[in-house]
Amino acid sequence: QSVLTQPPSVSAAPGQKVTISCSGSSSNIGDNYVSWYQQLPGTAPKLLIYDNNKRPSGIPDRFSGSKSGTSATLAITGLQTGDEADYYCGTWDSSLSALFGGGTKLTVL
Amino acid sequence: QLQLQESGSGLVKPSQTLSLTCAVSGGSISSGGYSWSWIRQPPGKGLEWIGYIYHSGSTHYNPSLKSRVTISVDRSKNQFSLKLSSLTAADTAVYYCVRGGSSWPFDYWGQGTLVTVSS
Repeated sequence: QSVLTQPPSVSAAPGQKVTISCSGSSSNIGDNYVSWYQQLPGTAPKLLIYDNNKRPSGIPDRFSGSKSGTSATLAITGLQTGDEADYYCGTWDSSLSALFGGGTKLTVL
Repeated sequence: QLQLQESGSGLVKPSQTLSLTCAVSGGSISSGGYSWSWIRQPPGKGLEWIGYIYHSGSTHYNPSLKSRVTISVDRSKNQFSLKLSSLTAADTAVYYCVRGGSSWPFDYWGQGTLVTVSS
C-alpha cells in the first residue's frame, strides 16, 4: 500500500485531455515538491515533471503538473497513442525519504 | 549526456547478498552536489525507493530496508554500489540506479537490471 494514492487506471480518446491525481498528506506532498514519471512498457521511468510544475528539457508542453495542498495533478492534453504508459507521482517525507504513488496506467482508446 | 549503467548478479539464492554497481558516464559523480539513488520495481508492481548516497558520502535508506542495505561510492571509478543482504523472493525486482535524492528529482535513470532471488 503506497503512502501516495493514485487511481489504478485512466483512459481517454486520442486528442482528448486526461488528468491523474496523486493524494498525500501534510507531511509529504503538503510540505515538499512533487515529481511525475512516465514509464513506457519495458523501459525505465523518465522524469516528466519536477518541482510541481516544471518540465525538463525535451518534455512537450502537453504535459503539465499542479499542486494544491496535499494533492497533485498531472494533466496531459492532445493525447497520443504513444502516451500509453504507467505514470507515477513522487515526493519526499519529513526525513527526506523518497515516496512514490502506486502508479496509474493510462490507456488511449 | 549523463548515462548510468547497472551491472551485477542477476540470480541470487535466498539468504545471500545482492551486489550491484552503477557506472556513471558523461559526467563526474563528484560534481554538482547531487545524490545518487537505487530504486527497485518488482515484476508488475510499482516503484520502491531503496536509498541514496549524498555527494558528501553519507547515506539515507528506506526505513523498511535499512537493516539490510549498504550504498557506497567509488569516486575513482565514477561509480556507486548497492548491497542488499538476507534476500528473499520478495526482493526479486528490476533494480535501477538513478541520479537524484534528498529532495532532488530522479532525473537520470539506468536501464535497470533484473535480479531474481531463487534457489
